[in-house]
Amino acid sequence: GAGVSQSPRYKVAKRGQDVALRCDPISGHVSLFWYQQALGQGPEFLTYFQNEAQLDKSGLPSDRFFAERPEGSVSTLKIQRTQQEDSAVYLCATQRGGAGNEQFFGPGTRLTVL
Amino acid sequence: GQNIDQPTEMTATEGAIVQINCTYQTSGFNGLFWYQQHAGEAPTFLSYNVLDGLEEKGRFSSFLSRSKGYSYLLLKELQMKDSASYLCAVRDLGGKLIFGQGTELSVKP
Repeated sequence: GAGVSQSPRYKVAKRGQDVALRCDPISGHVSLFWYQQALGQGPEFLTYFQNEAQLDKSGLPSDRFFAERPEGSVSTLKIQRTQQEDSAVYLCATQRGGAGNEQFFGPGTRLTVL
Repeated sequence: GQNIDQPTEMTATEGAIVQINCTYQTSGFNGLFWYQQHAGEAPTFLSYNVLDGLEEKGRFSSFLSRSKGYSYLLLKELQMKDSASYLCAVRDLGGKLIFGQGTELSVKP
């Protein structure tokens, strides 16, 4: 596609439910990043893939958060047993290879945990 | 540690010039980015600096001083549509972006 797409755009979950957020990258972009953005704040790094390899997961806030990219394209961020503090916008960004290239962001998934 | 500071909010008048400052202290540096984000939308790329100096792109310019850990974004001929949040981000050696909290710019007529 023309840009990064994410689904669903909005998700409401009851506390304790599991959720799965999907990211479809720009074709050919080898690097994929997940960020969490709280209201009024800048995005915060969660995890990074290069192709199918998860090279950095240092930003995942707890072991309830899990991300995968099994075929090096679509990625899924899963949050188990959601808590109210997980409410945020989850942004996916992809990048072509090369350190000088910018990251292109998807529209995000707004997660609200009740 | 990692620290990126930028003003929380700024107000400017349509047609004027505004400068948004960003200071950073990071353990590694591999370039500085500015993104624009309208409410409820994805951040969109504005500029990238990796060497010291000024990068100009139309109405937008960005400056970097690595020795001072300082950057600014300059917006000229402000338009109402420029009202948005402006995010300063440093790319670390691992490739991830470390963002400031964003500067909410309001352009008044």
